[in-house]
Amino acid sequence: GAVVSQHPSRVICKSGTSVKIECRSLDFQATTMFWYRQFPKKSLMLMATSNEGSKATYEQGVEKDKFLINHASLTLSTLTVTSAHPEDSSFYICSAITRQGARGSNQPQHFGDGTRLSIL
Amino acid sequence: AQSVAQPEDQVNVAEGNPLTVKCTYSVSGNPYLFWYVQYPNRGLQFLLKYITGDNLVKGSYGFEAEFNKSQTSFHLKKPSALVSDSALYFCAVRDVLTGGGNKLTFGTGTQLKVEL
Repeated sequence: GAVVSQHPSRVICKSGTSVKIECRSLDFQATTMFWYRQFPKKSLMLMATSNEGSKATYEQGVEKDKFLINHASLTLSTLTVTSAHPEDSSFYICSAITRQGARGSNQPQHFGDGTRLSIL
Repeated sequence: AQSVAQPEDQVNVAEGNPLTVKCTYSVSGNPYLFWYVQYPNRGLQFLLKYITGDNLVKGSYGFEAEFNKSQTSFHLKKPSALVSDSALYFCAVRDVLTGGGNKLTFGTGTQLKVEL
């Protein structure tokens, strides 16, 4: 159980393009989803916390207008990288917590397999 | 504020030997502690967690971790390493007392390499 699907797994596109990444919880309802960015051989950097039906909470230094997050349902959150540039190239990973986890913070986050974004 | 330190960028061990991946943490209150493993170009897989109770926690794939409150450590261990254990390992902490919406703080990761 607790499977998170992230799509696409890899994107290569031209500078200036907007790219949408989907994160779905397949077998559970996720009140809260998280979006991370990971640089090569580096730890995960939390970008934002996404709560169903409300605005995402962005971490300091993350541009809200650059990284648009929508959490329209209990099983889907999307991250849109708008007008992407080469410096946005990275590995983006989402995670989700079950509804039970949202009330009790001792539950683990369940991660998607990540999206490798390459901007030419 | 909560933080995690993984002092070793890389750990090398021979197959069949025991392995230890170190983790220390800092929180204001009591910690929830987690270990995750990441294989190349994949997301993170949950290995185990410490919430309360027995200090020795057993998890997936034969891994275990020992919570030591006095040393604020949560080292990951396995009695006999396999080549297939080679991956990037992350320790993470959540402070029970802070709000922050279940956010985890991750360590910088330790690359484990198990050789024949």
